[in-house]
Amino acid sequence: AAGVIQSPRHLIKEKRETATLKCYPIPRHDTVYWYQQGPGQDPQFLISFYEKMQSDKGSIPDRFSAQQFSDYHSELNMSSLELGDSALYFCASSLGMNTEAFFGQGTRLTVV
Amino acid sequence: GESVGLHLPTLSVQEGDNSIINCAYSNSASDYFIWYKQESGKGPQFIIDIRSNMDKRQGQRVTVLLNKTVKHLSLQIAATQPGDSAVYFCAENMNSGGGADGLTFGKGTHLIIQP
Repeated sequence: AAGVIQSPRHLIKEKRETATLKCYPIPRHDTVYWYQQGPGQDPQFLISFYEKMQSDKGSIPDRFSAQQFSDYHSELNMSSLELGDSALYFCASSLGMNTEAFFGQGTRLTVV
Repeated sequence: GESVGLHLPTLSVQEGDNSIINCAYSNSASDYFIWYKQESGKGPQFIIDIRSNMDKRQGQRVTVLLNKTVKHLSLQIAATQPGDSAVYFCAENMNSGGGADGLTFGKGTHLIIQP
């Protein structure tokens, strides 16, 4: 069965650069969620979208923005990268907001 | 074997034994709880969930217990197998409907299965 696809899997950026992470939800899923997981930490909720509209917002820095497109894929844009942004970024998707969500394999971002 | 997730991040059990992973959640208004399993290099994988109007729910080899009085959640895994080795997270949400919107994850517990 198709799963949540995230790209790239690994990304290395320098401080102050920008990065764009992409998430392709499971087919027919209309809801996506973004989480950040620092080394040895628990995942932290960043932001979510339902039917291309922002649904909820967590601890997402102002330097980050995200959107969900008409084909339901989502992109997380990160600017002025800092060393502390180095983390695993997970996307999850679900059919509607009240059903089981499935996580992707994540994008490992390293800021040097 | 048994763990208190916040204070004992690693739990080691013998293959075939039962394991209990504990989690103390923070928000008394939370209505929905999920246990996730995360293997190295992978995203969290849904194991089982429970809503606040229940105190026990069983799945295949897993049971979740919820004690709202003391804000405690536990995951019991029966007859552990090598494939159960992973980090286990509890997560809570005030939205009782489910999903993964605004989940607050607890600190993970690393379950190690000894042969």
